[in-house]
Amino acid sequence: QKEVEQDPGPLSVPEGAIVSLNCTYSNSAFQYFMWYRQYSRKGPELLMYTYSSGNKEDGRFTAQVDKSSKYISLFIRDSQPSDSATYLCATGNTDKLIFGTGTRLQVFP
Amino acid sequence: GAGVSQSPSNKVTEKGKDVELRCDPISGHTALYWYRQSLGQGLEFLIYFQGNSAPDKSGLPSDRFSAERTGGSVSTLTIQRTQQEDSAVYLCASTPGWSSGGAGETQYFGPGTRLLVL
Repeated sequence: QKEVEQDPGPLSVPEGAIVSLNCTYSNSAFQYFMWYRQYSRKGPELLMYTYSSGNKEDGRFTAQVDKSSKYISLFIRDSQPSDSATYLCATGNTDKLIFGTGTRLQVFP
Repeated sequence: GAGVSQSPSNKVTEKGKDVELRCDPISGHTALYWYRQSLGQGLEFLIYFQGNSAPDKSGLPSDRFSAERTGGSVSTLTIQRTQQEDSAVYLCASTPGWSSGGAGETQYFGPGTRLLVL
């Protein structure tokens, strides 16, 4: 079993839709939770970062962490074609960071 | 300021040849990571350099893979006797390095080197 599991998609939604991206992890010691966004032929860039259970909001993006069920989510409201990218979850502790496989999202006009 | 740069951006080589991939981290960043990204495999950790400490090589898939970091800045990832399964995007990232292992820090990625082994 992988330490971080993420559905690779692809996920295709119409513009304006609410998108939900999810990951599960296996190690309860993990304390950092991140979402990276990767556009085609580019390196990943940090989108959201949290180290506690609960929600963190930044504009149209909300990151949610449930440590009790080892479940992390990213919600995108009012999705735009410019949100089309691969979204990678990442989690770990002070020793290492582990990335999910990434979910490819396509938002069509 | 300048971000992480990698060269070459694309590399096509024949099976059995050696290749060298270069990474220039953000100036002042003491920690540097190499990852491999294959279709459907996500980011696979390869090696981690932190300052003058011995590198964490635990992710290197075989002894054909090696990496160096000269002067605490530029890093080179070398793949000897390349195989077709080495075809992937090789990504480099750097962080300021205040957190051992780097999990608590934002990793700044370069654009990657796309390697194709024929």
